[in-house]
Order: sequence, then C-alpha cells, then structure tokens
Amino acid sequence: DTGVSQDPRHKITKRGQNVTFRCDPISEHNRLYWYRQTLGQGPEFLTYFQNEAQLEKSRLLSDRFSAERPKGSFSTLEIQRTEQGDSAMYLCASSFGSGANVLTFGAGSRLTVL
Amino acid sequence: AQTVTQSQPEMSVQEAETVTLSCTYDTSESDYYLFWYKQPPSRQMILVIRQEAYKQQNATENRFSVNFQKAAKSFSLKISDSQLGDAAMYFCAYRRASGNTPLVFGKGTRLSVIA
Repeated sequence: DTGVSQDPRHKITKRGQNVTFRCDPISEHNRLYWYRQTLGQGPEFLTYFQNEAQLEKSRLLSDRFSAERPKGSFSTLEIQRTEQGDSAMYLCASSFGSGANVLTFGAGSRLTVL
Repeated sequence: AQTVTQSQPEMSVQEAETVTLSCTYDTSESDYYLFWYKQPPSRQMILVIRQEAYKQQNATENRFSVNFQKAAKSFSLKISDSQLGDAAMYFCAYRRASGNTPLVFGKGTRLSVIA
C-alpha cells in the first residue's frame, strides 16, 4: 500500500475557473476526510465520508465547494468559480473507523488562484 | 465547540536537548482522544503520539512523551534528545469519542532544531 495519494500536487488557476482535486485513500480505510490548510494555520475540517456516504458537509466553505466519493473508493473535491481566497493546501486523509483510529494524510494539493 | 490552542507559534531547541510544546483544549466531554501530528517542510503530516482521555498513564513513543493533565485540559509534548529531523510544524489535535466528529487541530508550533 502506497498510502494516501493526492493529485495534482500543485494547481495554478485563474480566478473564476473550476478546479478538481482527487484523493485515493488507503484501500482498507472506510473513512475519508478533506481539510484545508492556509499558511500558518492548522488544518481546517471541510467534509468527510464513510464509504460512499457524505456524513458531514456543513463545514464546506461555500456552495462553490463540493465533494464526492463514488463507490466508496477515491474522492474528488471540486471548487467552482475559484477566488483568490481559495488559495490554500487541500489535505486528504483516511482512516478505518473513527475514535482513536489514526488519520493517515496525503501530501496535499496546493492551489494558487491568480 | 471544541477548540485547541497552541500558544507557542515557534520554538527552538539545541540538538540533543529536550523541548516541550504546549497545548490546551476546551471541551465539555469526558471521553475523547488527543493527538500530536508532525508536518515536516513540504512533506505530509504524520502521527507522533496519541492519548486516550480515559487513560491516566501518559503515552510515550521512544523520544516522544506527553504530559496529559485532564483537569487542566492540557496536553503537552516532550521531545527528548532532539534531532535535526525533528524540525517541523507540530499540531495538537482533539477528537470527541462519541458521534461522528472530525479531528480538530490547533494552529501549530514551528520547531527549529539547532545543530
């Protein structure tokens, strides 16, 4: 197992464009999380899935943000009509269950909106 | 809402010395989990150590140990015999034991190790 993979690692886009990030979790992990991290801050929770069900999405920053996890495998995070304030690192993590179970993070996808 | 506070934005330590990173949290829950994660420059976040709130014994992992003070809602990380590879951002995190709740992070402490 190669861990949690995220693609692309870096994305530069112009304001108003749509972007999509992909996350491939560890295969046996049923939970998948998306976090956003801005410079000098800790990760900020966005949403998470248990298998294919999105159990929490109220923390998504606006209706421009959406996430999917079809078939409970990989996940995508889409940002529509990007704004300069969306520039950040988007982190994906996965775990088996919750509680004390450890989240395994990917390397992140860095978004720069010009 | 649960919050996690790391009051030291930056810390430095001499190689081979010991350093303690502070973390406090706010919760009304009695059962929860606490974590320290390490994020090296341009690399992914990895778990350093975790603590279950119901356990009185402080967790240890090799050179890393915690001082868990439940009544004070304090969870500090001690790094002994600091190594150059310990230089990183360190994040304290909290998760409630019940319900489907996400991991909540503090703002982090940047640790520099001086050779």
